[in-house]
Formats: sequence, C-alpha cells, structure tokens
Amino acid sequence: GESVGLHLPTLSVQEGDNSIINCAYSNSASDYFIWYKQESGKGPQFIIDIRSNMDKRQGQRVTVLLNKTVKHLSLQIAATQPGDSAVYFCAENGGYQKVTFGTGTKLQVIP
Amino acid sequence: DTEVTQTPKHLVMGMTNKKSLKCEQHMGHRAMYWYKQKAKKPPELMFVYSYEKLSINESVPSRFSPECPNSSLLNLHLHALQPEDSALYLCASALSGGPYNEQFFGPGTRLTVL
Repeated sequence: GESVGLHLPTLSVQEGDNSIINCAYSNSASDYFIWYKQESGKGPQFIIDIRSNMDKRQGQRVTVLLNKTVKHLSLQIAATQPGDSAVYFCAENGGYQKVTFGTGTKLQVIP
Repeated sequence: DTEVTQTPKHLVMGMTNKKSLKCEQHMGHRAMYWYKQKAKKPPELMFVYSYEKLSINESVPSRFSPECPNSSLLNLHLHALQPEDSALYLCASALSGGPYNEQFFGPGTRLTVL
C-alpha cells in the first residue's frame, strides 16, 4: 500500500551545524505534509507543515522542502542545538482526517 | 489551555482486566484521535472522532472500544488485551477533521499487558 518512509534512521550532527532530515513518500495524491518532533517520553510535537502547492516553507530555524517530482520531503534545521535531539517523523495527510507517519529519524546532537 | 492531557501515564494490566484510558482537551477542538505507538516505530492511527461521532476505525480489534462522551473527552476502553497490545497510546486533537488542521498530541499512556 501507500507509505511514507525515511532514508536515514539515525543522524548525528555537531552542535551549531545544520541538519537535514529526508523523507520519501509514495502516495502521489498526498497534498499535505507535516514534520513532527518526538522527544523521549513525550507525544509528537508539530514543527512545520507544507501543502503540495508549495515547494518551500520556512519557520523559525526550520525549513521544509517539497519535491513532488521525486516525491521527496526534507526538513532543514539551522544551527542545531542540543534541544533538537529527538526523533523526527514526516507525515502525510492524503485523505480526510488521516495522517500517516513515516518511519522516523533519530537526530543526535553532539555538544 | 493549549494542551492535551492523558491519564494514567502508566498502566499495567492483566489479560482478563478491564481498564480505560482517558484523554481531555479544552481547546475547543472537534476532532479527536487515538494512535498506538510501539517502541521505535511511528504512531499508527486507530480511531478518529469528528464532532463526537466515530468517523474512522482503522480495523482495530474489538477489545479496544473508543468513546467520546463530549467534545472535550475521549476514552479508550480496554478488555481482554494481549501482551502484543503493550505500547504507548497517544491521543490527539485538532480544530476540525479537515486535512489541513494541525494535530496536538498528548504525552501518551504507557500500557503494559501481562
């Protein structure tokens, strides 16, 4: 069936460097994508979203890029901080009310 | 109040027990969700309530029974669970059930079935 997945299960980044987390999706009909951050012992926290009519969206220190041609999504975190250490999930909303999460990438920030 | 609360935080139950998980939000959201998350896996959608009516059931076994008494509360009744049902159960809410609404997640209930 349709799925959302990630290329890298673990990413280690030096504090202060930029992080890039990638995600591939397979449902070409998906029109809304979300990045979530999940810290240990907590529920997922919304970071940023993007609709399919856009290819880039920026937030505070985060940027999401969407390439519909190759069905690829990425999350860029500028000046990565220790507090950014968490598991990051991309998710797609390909239908009414249903959000499907990708497999997740663990981001480790090295002080 | 901009958070989703879940009780209990931890629950240990036997396979013959009956227990309930509770979720509450006071943000005026009209869509509420139950997800199941196994260790090192993404959350998986179980149920969706929209305006207090069950709108999505992702083929969840009947030993899980959701209930939405009002727009602020969501329960998940558990009966005759199996050890493989041990997981983190997450509740979420959104302004409405539309596709572009941010979901707010609670901290989850860590369930262990013995």
